Order: sequence, then C-alpha cells, then structure tokens
Amino acid sequence: QSVLTQPPSASGTPGQRVTISCSGTRSNIGSNAVNWYQQLPGTAPKLFIHSSNQRPSGVPDRFSGSKSGTSASLATSGLQSEDEADYYCAAWDDSLNAWVFGGGTKLTVL
Amino acid sequence: QVRLQESGPGLVKPSGTLSLTCTVSGDSVSSSSYYWGWLRQPPGKGLEFIGTIYYTGNTFYNPSLRSRVTISVDTSMNQFSLRLSSVTAADTAMYYCAREISSDVGLDVWGQGTTVSVSS
Repeated sequence: QSVLTQPPSASGTPGQRVTISCSGTRSNIGSNAVNWYQQLPGTAPKLFIHSSNQRPSGVPDRFSGSKSGTSASLATSGLQSEDEADYYCAAWDDSLNAWVFGGGTKLTVL
Repeated sequence: QVRLQESGPGLVKPSGTLSLTCTVSGDSVSSSSYYWGWLRQPPGKGLEFIGTIYYTGNTFYNPSLRSRVTISVDTSMNQFSLRLSSVTAADTAMYYCAREISSDVGLDVWGQGTTVSVSS
C-alpha cells in the first residue's frame, strides 16, 4: 500500500488532455513540494516535474504540474504516443523522514 | 555529465545480506549540495525509497526497512553503498541509486539499475 494515492491507469487519444492525480496527507504533499517521475518501459525513472510545477530541461511544455493542499496533479495538454509510460508522484514526508511515492499510473495512448 | 552506476551480486541467498555499490562519475559524493540515495522496484510494482546519505554520514532510512539497512559513503572512491540484511524473496527487485538535490527538486539523476534476486 503506497503512502500517496494515484489511479493505476489513465488513457486518452492523441491530442487529448489527460490528468493524473496524486493524493497525500499534511505531512507529505501538504508540507512539501511534489515531484513526478516518468518511467518508460525497461528504463530507470526520470525526473519529469519538480518543485510541484517546474519542468526540467527537455520535458515538453505540454506537460504541467500543480499542487493544492494535500493533492497534486500532472497534466498533458496534447497527448502524444511517446507519452506512454508509467508516472509516479513523490514527496518528502516530514513525519517519516523519508521519500514517499504513489503506486504509479500507467498512461496509455489509445 | 553526472553518471551513477550500480554494481554487486545479482543473486543473494535467503537470510543473507545484499550488498550493492554505486559509483559516481562527473560529480563528487563529498559535495555539500546533494544527498545520495537508494531505491528499489519489485517486478511489476512501484518505486520504494530505501534510504539516503549525506557526505557527512547523515542518513535517512525508510522506517519499514530501517532495522535491516545500512547505507555508507566512501569519499576516497567516490562511491556509496547499500547493505540489506536478512533478505527474503520479498527483497527481489531492481535496485537504483540516485542523486537527491533537495526535498523540493527530488532525485534528479538515476543509475540504470541492477537486478537482485533472492533465491536459494
């Protein structure tokens, strides 16, 4: 059972807007920034969104992150086939003094 | 370019100790700017934080693994290491090392990962 809660799957057609949610508590998302990681099949995770809404260099600007209270979300404004991957949210937990992760969301392009 | 490379045995016997090393190139584990961490991913499952270490030796561990985990740093070799004792089949996973910038930015550089199986 993951500390952060994500839907196990999400999908959309090319060009569609898709949002992935991430729910936590006051000690993690409520107190700290949220990071998102993209994991393509057979590869290591890659930092995709940091500081709740910042894109590292190389991440397409069609992706955005947001946070409100104890929830966060990752959105893509125009889904593309290369976006098919697993996406994980994460945050530092001040009570556990540890990184906590969501269970991951598998994004499928129909 | 910063690169992290995991190394160690791919097979560990039940009740034994898993030992992995992460070699850092293009950066220094002695840097005051980063923590260095270990994470794992069981087959078909999600990511799990194991622990992180600062160059001073300060560590943070996953509470669920704390009794079995030791993370250490070797500044002379520019490496940091993981030891996980009393392993069971549940510890079979892909193990990753990673660089942590801060709690805001997260883990920005990852190794490619190494598979560890626990089996007799």
